[in-house]
Amino acid sequence: EAQVTQNPRYLITVTGKKLTVTCSQNMNHEYMSWYRQDPGLGLRQIYYSMNVEVTDKGDVPEGYKVSRKEKRNFPLILESPSPNQTSLYFCASSLSNTYTEAFFGQGTRLTVV
Amino acid sequence: EDQVTQSPEALRLQEGESSSLNCSYTVSGLRGLFWYRQDPGKGPEFLFTLYSAGEEKEKERLKATLTKKESFLHITAPKPEDSATYLCAVHGAADSWGKLQFGAGTQVVVTP
Repeated sequence: EAQVTQNPRYLITVTGKKLTVTCSQNMNHEYMSWYRQDPGLGLRQIYYSMNVEVTDKGDVPEGYKVSRKEKRNFPLILESPSPNQTSLYFCASSLSNTYTEAFFGQGTRLTVV
Repeated sequence: EDQVTQSPEALRLQEGESSSLNCSYTVSGLRGLFWYRQDPGKGPEFLFTLYSAGEEKEKERLKATLTKKESFLHITAPKPEDSATYLCAVHGAADSWGKLQFGAGTQVVVTP
């Protein structure tokens, strides 16, 4: 089954404790992105990647890091999480460019206390 | 910078009561406008892509249309299973690859 898998689904952590949210897709897609979703603000892009070792900043990259060492994986790293990073995070992938259907993961609800 | 505004924020419908959602956009050279459906606790699910003014696409009770300034998602004779948040997003000519600008969404509730 074609899917984008994120882990964990839920995470509560403390300020400053480094964490990684994993994202994996099984569709051989080149494009992958991370978004955060906050009430009233919609989905905002954090980082995206066009292929292995090619990443770029989205609208809200501050406080986040990403890497793309393999085509299928695109982890999101929070080196020193802060309460304003409490949000619902989604990973997405698409086949070749932005004009095709994007597949989203189930989401990771992160709370930073 | 691209801007996407969706209205209304929320919509409550009786089963069978048709209605339309609006997505107004400002973008320099539209490359694509996308509609997604999002159920509570789940990731967005792709519905349609529209590329140029005048284009229309249909899927079951949903029909999306596009003009030069806005898109409409028409829901005809909705059923309770159509309850969801509907998201609109755009990609413009000035955007780098992979960049999508989303609206805040319209939450639709259909009651029996």
